[in-house]
Amino acid sequence: NAGVTQTPKFQVLKTGQSMTLQCAQDMNHNSMYWYRQDPGMGLRLIYYSASEGTTDKGEVPNGYNVSRLNKREFSLRLESAAPSQTSVYFCASSGRGAGTEAFFGQGTRLTVV
Amino acid sequence: GDSVTQMEGPVTLSEEAFLTINCTYTATGYPSLFWYVQYPGEGLQLLLKATKADDKGSNKGFEATYRKETTSFHLEKGSVQVSDSAVYFCAPNYGGSQGNLIFGKGTKLSVKP
Repeated sequence: NAGVTQTPKFQVLKTGQSMTLQCAQDMNHNSMYWYRQDPGMGLRLIYYSASEGTTDKGEVPNGYNVSRLNKREFSLRLESAAPSQTSVYFCASSGRGAGTEAFFGQGTRLTVV
Repeated sequence: GDSVTQMEGPVTLSEEAFLTINCTYTATGYPSLFWYVQYPGEGLQLLLKATKADDKGSNKGFEATYRKETTSFHLEKGSVQVSDSAVYFCAPNYGGSQGNLIFGKGTKLSVKP
């Protein structure tokens, strides 16, 4: 029972480099999310996908792109990394309906130097 | 838009002390209410939930009651342990197809022996 799997766990990038964070869930959930977590800021939603083939911007989408490759996978891409994108990134998934809980990956700690 | 206000931390308590972490949400719609916990170096996981007014969620000695009249969902524990040291997030879920999964800023709890 893997739940939500994120890779990589740690990454250091130089300013201007690109990378893709991968996320996969095995719970047949429709909704998937990408958050970033910064000290004192809580969790801020970057992008979400309510179903396969759809994506929508969250609170802080600038500098990011996403792909909902299929129902299982939702990737987050940084095209040109900036130091302001240094953060811990979490992927989450949930079923439909207000009463369903969200499941989170272990997080990716990204440092941009 | 929908939002949640959570008591700011950090909160430092001695072992066996009583804990309250306040949480209020905006009253647009009728959300389900969740508390998530994040232990050091991990992703968030569900602690407890309540899906309708006057419901009480409970788990691991923690409790929270859905108070519609005050739009609140305060987290309580009668006697905290060192192992409860973590960050706690309040999260209303308004459901729908838009993925309204929002979180409070989190309250860091440290319990000293």
